[in-house]
Amino acid sequence: AQSVTQLGSHVSVSEGALVLLRCNYSSSVPPYLFWYVQYPNQGLQLLLKYTSAATLVKGINGFEAEFKKSETSFHLTKPSAHMSDAAEYFCAVSEKDSNYQLIWGAGTKLIIKP
Amino acid sequence: SQTIHQWPATLVQPVGSPLSLECTVEGTSNPNLYWYRQAAGRGLQLLFYSVGIGQISSEVPQNLSASRPQDRQFILSSKKLLLSDSGFYLCAWSTLAGSPNYGYTFGSGTRLTVV
Repeated sequence: AQSVTQLGSHVSVSEGALVLLRCNYSSSVPPYLFWYVQYPNQGLQLLLKYTSAATLVKGINGFEAEFKKSETSFHLTKPSAHMSDAAEYFCAVSEKDSNYQLIWGAGTKLIIKP
Repeated sequence: SQTIHQWPATLVQPVGSPLSLECTVEGTSNPNLYWYRQAAGRGLQLLFYSVGIGQISSEVPQNLSASRPQDRQFILSSKKLLLSDSGFYLCAWSTLAGSPNYGYTFGSGTRLTVV
Protein backbone atom coordinates (compact mmCIF):
# COMPACT_ATOMS: atom_id res chain seq x y z
CA ALA A 1 0.00 0.00 0.00
CA GLN A 2 1.09 3.53 -0.65
CA SER A 3 2.53 5.42 2.29
CA VAL A 4 4.58 8.50 3.08
CA THR A 5 6.94 8.68 6.02
CA GLN A 6 8.33 11.92 7.33
CA LEU A 7 11.12 11.30 9.78
CA GLY A 8 10.83 13.54 12.84
CA SER A 9 7.63 15.22 13.92
CA HIS A 10 9.78 18.17 15.04
CA VAL A 11 13.06 19.41 13.59
CA SER A 12 15.00 22.22 15.23
CA VAL A 13 17.77 24.14 13.46
CA SER A 14 19.61 27.35 14.16
CA GLU A 15 19.03 30.39 12.02
CA GLY A 16 21.46 30.26 9.09
CA ALA A 17 21.94 26.50 9.34
CA LEU A 18 21.02 23.89 6.76
CA VAL A 19 17.43 22.70 6.77
CA LEU A 20 16.84 19.02 5.94
CA LEU A 21 13.37 17.55 6.18
CA ARG A 22 13.13 13.89 5.27
CA CYS A 23 10.41 12.20 3.26
CA ASN A 24 10.31 8.59 2.12
CA TYR A 25 7.50 7.06 0.14
CA SER A 26 6.39 3.67 -1.00
CA SER A 27 5.18 3.43 -4.55
CA SER A 28 5.28 0.76 -7.20
CA VAL A 29 5.16 3.23 -10.07
CA PRO A 30 6.72 6.63 -10.70
CA PRO A 31 4.79 9.00 -8.48
CA TYR A 32 4.07 12.68 -8.30
CA LEU A 33 5.63 14.13 -5.16
CA PHE A 34 4.81 17.36 -3.36
CA TRP A 35 6.03 19.44 -0.46
CA TYR A 36 3.59 21.85 1.19
CA VAL A 37 4.13 24.37 3.96
CA GLN A 38 1.51 25.41 6.51
CA TYR A 39 1.82 28.47 8.71
CA PRO A 40 -0.37 28.59 11.85
CA ASN A 41 -4.09 28.82 11.09
CA GLN A 42 -3.49 29.03 7.37
CA GLY A 43 -4.03 26.75 4.42
CA LEU A 44 -1.33 24.74 2.73
CA GLN A 45 0.97 26.42 0.24
CA LEU A 46 2.78 24.45 -2.42
CA LEU A 47 6.55 24.66 -2.03
CA LEU A 48 7.53 22.44 -4.93
CA LYS A 49 6.52 19.34 -6.84
CA TYR A 50 8.13 16.50 -8.77
CA THR A 51 6.31 15.44 -11.90
CA SER A 52 8.86 13.13 -13.61
CA ALA A 53 10.91 15.91 -15.14
CA ALA A 54 14.17 16.99 -13.50
CA THR A 55 15.01 15.04 -10.35
CA LEU A 56 16.23 18.17 -8.56
CA VAL A 57 13.28 20.43 -8.06
CA LYS A 58 13.56 24.05 -7.00
CA GLY A 59 10.70 25.69 -5.18
CA ILE A 60 9.72 28.90 -3.52
CA ASN A 61 11.49 30.56 -0.59
CA GLY A 62 14.86 28.96 -1.46
CA PHE A 63 13.75 25.37 -0.89
CA GLU A 64 14.62 22.47 -3.13
CA ALA A 65 14.12 18.72 -3.12
CA GLU A 66 15.73 15.82 -4.91
CA PHE A 67 13.83 12.78 -6.14
CA LYS A 68 15.91 9.65 -5.57
CA LYS A 69 14.16 6.63 -6.98
CA SER A 70 16.69 4.13 -5.61
CA GLU A 71 16.15 5.45 -2.10
CA THR A 72 12.42 6.21 -2.58
CA SER A 73 13.12 9.59 -1.04
CA PHE A 74 12.19 13.19 -1.67
CA HIS A 75 13.98 15.15 1.04
CA LEU A 76 13.47 18.91 1.34
CA THR A 77 16.46 21.17 1.87
CA LYS A 78 17.35 24.81 2.26
CA PRO A 79 20.95 25.99 2.63
CA SER A 80 20.29 28.66 5.24
CA ALA A 81 17.30 28.77 7.56
CA HIS A 82 15.42 31.99 8.25
CA MET A 83 13.14 32.68 11.19
CA SER A 84 10.28 33.00 8.71
CA ASP A 85 10.72 29.33 7.74
CA ALA A 86 9.21 28.21 11.04
CA ALA A 87 6.11 26.28 10.02
CA GLU A 88 4.82 22.77 9.48
CA TYR A 89 5.89 20.95 6.34
CA PHE A 90 3.98 18.14 4.66
CA CYS A 91 5.18 15.68 2.07
CA ALA A 92 2.59 14.05 -0.17
CA VAL A 93 2.53 11.55 -3.03
CA SER A 94 0.00 10.72 -5.67
CA GLU A 95 0.07 7.97 -8.23
CA LYS A 96 -2.14 6.09 -10.63
CA ASP A 97 -2.70 3.15 -8.28
CA SER A 98 -4.39 5.44 -5.76
CA ASN A 99 -6.40 7.21 -8.45
CA TYR A 100 -4.07 10.16 -7.96
CA GLN A 101 -5.42 10.96 -4.51
CA LEU A 102 -2.87 12.63 -2.28
CA ILE A 103 -1.31 10.39 0.35
CA TRP A 104 0.07 12.57 3.12
CA GLY A 105 2.93 12.32 5.52
CA ALA A 106 2.22 13.19 9.13
CA GLY A 107 4.05 16.50 8.87
CA THR A 108 7.23 17.94 10.36
CA LYS A 109 7.22 21.05 12.46
CA LEU A 110 10.31 23.12 11.71
CA ILE A 111 11.60 25.18 14.63
CA ILE A 112 14.17 27.89 14.02
CA LYS A 113 16.44 28.84 16.92
CA PRO A 114 17.81 32.37 16.93
CA SER B 1 -5.18 32.96 -12.73
CA GLN B 2 -6.96 30.42 -10.61
CA THR B 3 -8.11 31.27 -7.11
CA ILE B 4 -9.93 29.36 -4.42
CA HIS B 5 -12.15 30.98 -1.81
CA GLN B 6 -13.25 29.33 1.39
CA TRP B 7 -15.43 30.80 4.11
CA PRO B 8 -15.93 31.50 6.89
CA ALA B 9 -12.42 31.65 8.33
CA THR B 10 -13.57 30.79 11.84
CA LEU B 11 -16.77 29.36 13.22
CA VAL B 12 -17.97 28.48 16.70
CA GLN B 13 -21.07 26.32 16.74
CA PRO B 14 -22.98 24.54 19.50
CA VAL B 15 -23.32 20.79 19.53
CA GLY B 16 -26.34 19.69 17.53
CA SER B 17 -26.42 22.75 15.29
CA PRO B 18 -26.16 22.55 11.49
CA LEU B 19 -23.09 23.37 9.47
CA SER B 20 -22.46 24.77 6.02
CA LEU B 21 -18.99 25.56 4.72
CA GLU B 22 -18.59 26.84 1.20
CA CYS B 23 -15.74 26.74 -1.25
CA THR B 24 -15.58 28.24 -4.72
CA VAL B 25 -12.91 28.11 -7.39
CA GLU B 26 -12.34 30.72 -10.06
CA GLY B 27 -10.35 30.68 -13.25
CA THR B 28 -10.68 27.02 -14.16
CA SER B 29 -13.38 24.66 -15.29
CA ASN B 30 -14.24 21.11 -14.24
CA PRO B 31 -11.75 20.97 -11.38
CA ASN B 32 -11.48 18.04 -9.00
CA LEU B 33 -12.60 19.33 -5.61
CA TYR B 34 -11.73 18.09 -2.13
CA TRP B 35 -12.62 18.60 1.53
CA TYR B 36 -9.96 17.76 4.08
CA ARG B 37 -10.01 17.95 7.87
CA GLN B 38 -7.00 18.55 10.04
CA ALA B 39 -7.51 17.75 13.71
CA ALA B 40 -5.24 19.37 16.28
CA GLY B 41 -1.75 17.88 16.13
CA ARG B 42 -2.68 15.48 13.38
CA GLY B 43 -2.23 15.24 9.65
CA LEU B 44 -4.73 15.75 6.87
CA GLN B 45 -7.70 13.49 6.44
CA LEU B 46 -9.56 13.40 3.15
CA LEU B 47 -13.30 13.66 3.78
CA PHE B 48 -14.85 14.02 0.33
CA TYR B 49 -13.83 14.52 -3.25
CA SER B 50 -15.71 15.33 -6.42
CA VAL B 51 -14.80 14.92 -10.07
CA GLY B 52 -17.91 16.66 -11.39
CA ILE B 53 -21.26 18.25 -10.60
CA GLY B 54 -23.30 16.00 -8.35
CA GLN B 55 -20.51 13.41 -8.12
CA ILE B 56 -19.35 13.02 -4.53
CA SER B 57 -17.12 10.32 -3.09
CA SER B 58 -16.89 9.88 0.67
CA GLU B 59 -13.70 8.64 2.23
CA VAL B 60 -14.69 8.54 5.89
CA PRO B 61 -18.06 7.59 7.39
CA GLN B 62 -19.31 10.42 9.55
CA ASN B 63 -22.17 12.83 10.07
CA LEU B 64 -20.85 15.18 7.42
CA SER B 65 -21.96 15.41 3.82
CA ALA B 66 -20.80 17.26 0.74
CA SER B 67 -22.50 18.62 -2.33
CA ARG B 68 -21.38 20.13 -5.60
CA PRO B 69 -24.32 22.11 -6.99
CA GLN B 70 -22.20 23.94 -9.56
CA ASP B 71 -18.98 23.14 -11.38
CA ARG B 72 -16.82 25.33 -9.17
CA GLN B 73 -18.73 25.22 -5.90
CA PHE B 74 -18.23 22.64 -3.17
CA ILE B 75 -20.20 22.66 0.08
CA LEU B 76 -19.56 20.75 3.29
CA SER B 77 -22.59 20.26 5.53
CA SER B 78 -23.84 18.66 8.67
CA LYS B 79 -27.33 18.42 10.10
CA LYS B 80 -26.13 18.05 13.69
CA LEU B 81 -22.58 18.82 14.75
CA LEU B 82 -20.68 16.69 17.24
CA LEU B 83 -17.85 17.79 19.50
CA SER B 84 -15.57 15.54 17.47
CA ASP B 85 -16.28 17.62 14.36
CA SER B 86 -14.03 20.38 15.67
CA GLY B 87 -11.00 20.94 13.52
CA PHE B 88 -9.48 22.83 10.66
CA TYR B 89 -11.31 22.24 7.37
CA LEU B 90 -9.55 22.77 4.10
CA CYS B 91 -10.97 22.89 0.62
CA ALA B 92 -8.72 22.12 -2.34
CA TRP B 93 -8.89 21.76 -6.09
CA SER B 94 -6.73 19.99 -8.60
CA THR B 95 -6.34 19.56 -12.30
CA LEU B 96 -6.22 16.13 -13.86
CA ALA B 97 -3.10 14.09 -13.20
CA GLY B 98 -0.79 14.31 -16.17
CA SER B 99 -1.92 17.78 -17.18
CA PRO B 100 0.87 20.36 -17.46
CA ASN B 101 0.01 22.18 -14.25
CA TYR B 102 -1.05 19.14 -12.23
CA GLY B 103 -1.17 19.88 -8.55
CA TYR B 104 -3.41 20.64 -5.62
CA THR B 105 -4.26 24.17 -4.48
CA PHE B 106 -5.72 24.75 -1.04
CA GLY B 107 -8.05 27.34 0.40
CA SER B 108 -7.18 29.29 3.51
CA GLY B 109 -9.18 26.99 5.77
CA THR B 110 -12.02 27.22 8.27
CA ARG B 111 -11.35 26.76 11.97
CA LEU B 112 -14.47 25.07 13.38
CA THR B 113 -14.95 24.82 17.11
CA VAL B 114 -17.96 22.87 18.33
CA VAL B 115 -18.92 23.78 21.90
